Amino acid sequence: GENVEQHPSTLSVQEGDSAVIKCTYSDSASNYFPWYKQELGKRPQLIIDIRSNVGEKKDQRIAVTLNKTAKHFSLHITETQPEDSAVYFCAASSGNYGQNFVFGPGTRLSVLP
Amino acid sequence: DGGITQSPKYLFRKEGQNVTLSCEQNLNHDAMYWYRQDPGQGLRLIYYSQIVNDFQKGDIAEGYSVSREKKESFPLTVTSAQKNPSAFYLCASSGGPDTQYFGPGTRLTVL
Repeated sequence: GENVEQHPSTLSVQEGDSAVIKCTYSDSASNYFPWYKQELGKRPQLIIDIRSNVGEKKDQRIAVTLNKTAKHFSLHITETQPEDSAVYFCAASSGNYGQNFVFGPGTRLSVLP
Repeated sequence: DGGITQSPKYLFRKEGQNVTLSCEQNLNHDAMYWYRQDPGQGLRLIYYSQIVNDFQKGDIAEGYSVSREKKESFPLTVTSAQKNPSAFYLCASSGGPDTQYFGPGTRLTVL
């Protein structure tokens, strides 16, 4: 089955700097890669996603890149703000339900003022 | 994700009791999911359902049961057989096999 690794587990950056979180996946059949942001005690919320036919996608300060050959994808946050502090989860899906939608273990991002 | 509701927000259970967590969605999604999240940890799949009257075990189904009698509803019962039930429980739904939208969660504490 699919296995998703995520690094780093914790990340601290100064306000205004960039943050990068990387994920690797094992199943070459995976074709959908979402990123979720979870604030303390709240629900995970989708912030950006990418499909396997696209190499990069950007939405304001957030971008995701995908390298299918190397089986890794990354989240880039530019001009970080204190409200970006949260836990970020990546996931990989092969287009089937349930156990083929696998989350990474999460990265706790702290943006220091 | 505003169309997914979970109740109650906080739930307290005595040891040996079964409790049922509610999950309702009005997004007309076919698929629904239950995840467990422990402090500082990721999301672990308990059960999922692709369609009404059908559901499948996830990675940690032992001690849990579900039903899917209506498209809008996917309740989760935490039975007394679940040895460490205290956790944050998240319900999600999806219109297809891809993007999942989460409810606000229920925090279960065993007294």
